[in-house]
Amino acid sequence: GIQVEQSPPDLILQEGANSTLRCNFSDSVNNLQWFHQNPWGQLINLFYIPSGTKQNGRLSATTVATERYSLLYISSSQTTDSGVYFCAVQPNTGNQFYFGTGTSLTVIP
Amino acid sequence: DGGITQSPKYLFRKEGQNVTLSCEQNLNHDAMYWYRQDPGQGLRLIYYSQIVNDFQKGDIAEGYSVSREKKESFPLTVTSAQKNPTAFYLCASSKDRGRGTQYFGPGTRLTVL
Repeated sequence: GIQVEQSPPDLILQEGANSTLRCNFSDSVNNLQWFHQNPWGQLINLFYIPSGTKQNGRLSATTVATERYSLLYISSSQTTDSGVYFCAVQPNTGNQFYFGTGTSLTVIP
Repeated sequence: DGGITQSPKYLFRKEGQNVTLSCEQNLNHDAMYWYRQDPGQGLRLIYYSQIVNDFQKGDIAEGYSVSREKKESFPLTVTSAQKNPTAFYLCASSKDRGRGTQYFGPGTRLTVL
């Protein structure tokens, strides 16, 4: 199956700082999503972004499909941004989704 | 309200027992998925179903079984053949036979005693 790698694995930020999370994937995809998993385990859909750039408030994401990576930007981080961020991809062939191992973000006041 | 519900939230099981986890959605989505998450790990796909009465194995289907008799329901049975079933189980759904955005339920934490 397709390989999905996320970096960094762990990140600690001071409140108000900016950060960039990266997702690399090993094959062509037609579906890419970013999720935030809160401390209670709930996965919240942040972006559906197989290509291009999207913004939602303090969060934005860019996927460069031809170079097989996606970036999630968090600006002016808040303590409520803490949790684990996952990237999930669906290859052009097949309907299965593949998840990365996540980036664990801790925002300290 | 539209969404995905999973029950129970917490489940304890003795070794050798089968248990069934419930997943229901009222989003009218075609596709449904079951994932397993172990501590500090990503999600791994157990089974998925694109339409009623059809389902496919994911990467870790051994020791699990599913059914899809209704569009809104996709129960997962963890059998006694699953060697290490203690984990967090997440159900998801998406429209367009699995080509759209995935939405997740709140999860079930299964502990084998």
